[in-house]
Amino acid sequence: QVQLVESGGGVVQPGRSLRLSCAASGFMFSTYAMHWVRQAPGKGLEWVALLSYDGSNEYYAGSVKGRFTISRDNSKNTLYLQMNSLRAEDTALYYCARVRNVAATIGYAMDVWGQGTTVTVPS
Amino acid sequence: SFVLTQPPSVSVAPGQTARITCGGTNLGSRSVHWYQQKPGQAPVLVVCDDGDRPSGIPERFSGSNSGNTATLTISRVEAGDEADYYCQVWNIISDHVDFGGGTKLTVL
Repeated sequence: QVQLVESGGGVVQPGRSLRLSCAASGFMFSTYAMHWVRQAPGKGLEWVALLSYDGSNEYYAGSVKGRFTISRDNSKNTLYLQMNSLRAEDTALYYCARVRNVAATIGYAMDVWGQGTTVTVPS
Repeated sequence: SFVLTQPPSVSVAPGQTARITCGGTNLGSRSVHWYQQKPGQAPVLVVCDDGDRPSGIPERFSGSNSGNTATLTISRVEAGDEADYYCQVWNIISDHVDFGGGTKLTVL
């Protein structure tokens, strides 16, 4: 079945780095754009980044631009989020999500979500 | 950023109709998507492109979008519909995704 599984979360000190992974299965990963979305404890959803299906176009939220990098390895069916210079406000559950339409990028809904991986940056 | 305004909470009795709004300037010119999130679970897409329903979503869920307001309508509300609901658009000015603040639906 169509599935996304995030990993790589943990507790990391402010200023340090962490890389999250999102393993995709059950669909042709290389034809779908992918998002990262996060949710701080008790808060709403916050979009983080979007990457086109071929990795040629990247989009970032202002709060992470310049610190986070989204990337993908289509040969491994895996999406990544490299997070540098982490701050306490980056503490959240991080989800990866698939764009609903094949080969589409901006403007489309997110139709498949993983269960998330938790990142904690102590203050 | 493009501000999407949702009421923090909506309450409805079982069997009644719940309407959750999402407000934004000229929102009717954009495609609005809606997500349901139950406690401890990942979000689920319930309505996309203003009013389309993904496969597996009950017909009780519908959406509309006009002017400055998009609305998610849940007919014949059930206890299992109790969740947080988020609207979402693509911000064409700044090239990023905006989410509404979320609405907690309580089934009385």
